[in-house]
Amino acid sequence: GENVEQHPSTLSVQEGDSAVIKCTYSDSASNYFPWYKQELGKRPQLIIDIRSNVGEKKDQRIAVTLNKTAKHFSLHITETQPEDSAVYFCAARFVGAQKLVFGQGTRLTINP
Amino acid sequence: NAGVMQNPRHLVRRRGQEARLRCSPMKGHSHVYWYRQLPEEGLKFMVYLQKENIIDESGMPKERFSAEFPKEGPSILRIQQVVRGDSAAYFCASSPVGQGASSSGANVLTFGAGSRLTVL
Repeated sequence: GENVEQHPSTLSVQEGDSAVIKCTYSDSASNYFPWYKQELGKRPQLIIDIRSNVGEKKDQRIAVTLNKTAKHFSLHITETQPEDSAVYFCAARFVGAQKLVFGQGTRLTINP
Repeated sequence: NAGVMQNPRHLVRRRGQEARLRCSPMKGHSHVYWYRQLPEEGLKFMVYLQKENIIDESGMPKERFSAEFPKEGPSILRIQQVVRGDSAAYFCASSPVGQGASSSGANVLTFGAGSRLTVL
């Protein structure tokens, strides 16, 4: 079935430390993996994405890694800041079904 | 570009009433997706539509829920005879091509601000 598992569900880190969120997906044909950030009461916003033809992508303090063999991908946030506090969702595109399936979300709290 | 527009932003209904949620996709986007988010939960796929066609409604309850995306006007998610369990945020997202297309970058999903339905 179409399934994306995300861990942990909550994560608390000290400001300046790194945060890592991990996701696994069920369909080996999936080829697109975006990450969305959702602040309280706001819309999900795309922060970074990766396609299956690359193993890693970086944008300033944010990076995503993809292991297609193991069917998992991870979000890495370095030098965390208070404004990084939000809920983060991973997703995988299930090509045959033509839709994005989202993980359950990770509530990230940055402690000053 | 005004982005994905949803209205109403907040809707209160009593049990048994009907709720209609509207979504205007970004300019140039002809693919619309509806997701439901229960409090403290993730985004659950409901339905995928193109103009005048329902492509995938596998995530939508068989009863009381319907969706349309007419040739003219916004996409509408309709919930009949609402119950308290329908209380949630309903997000619409759009993309210029479908998620089945392999073109890089062309099928990024952009979300609207959501419609928060409260059933009393």
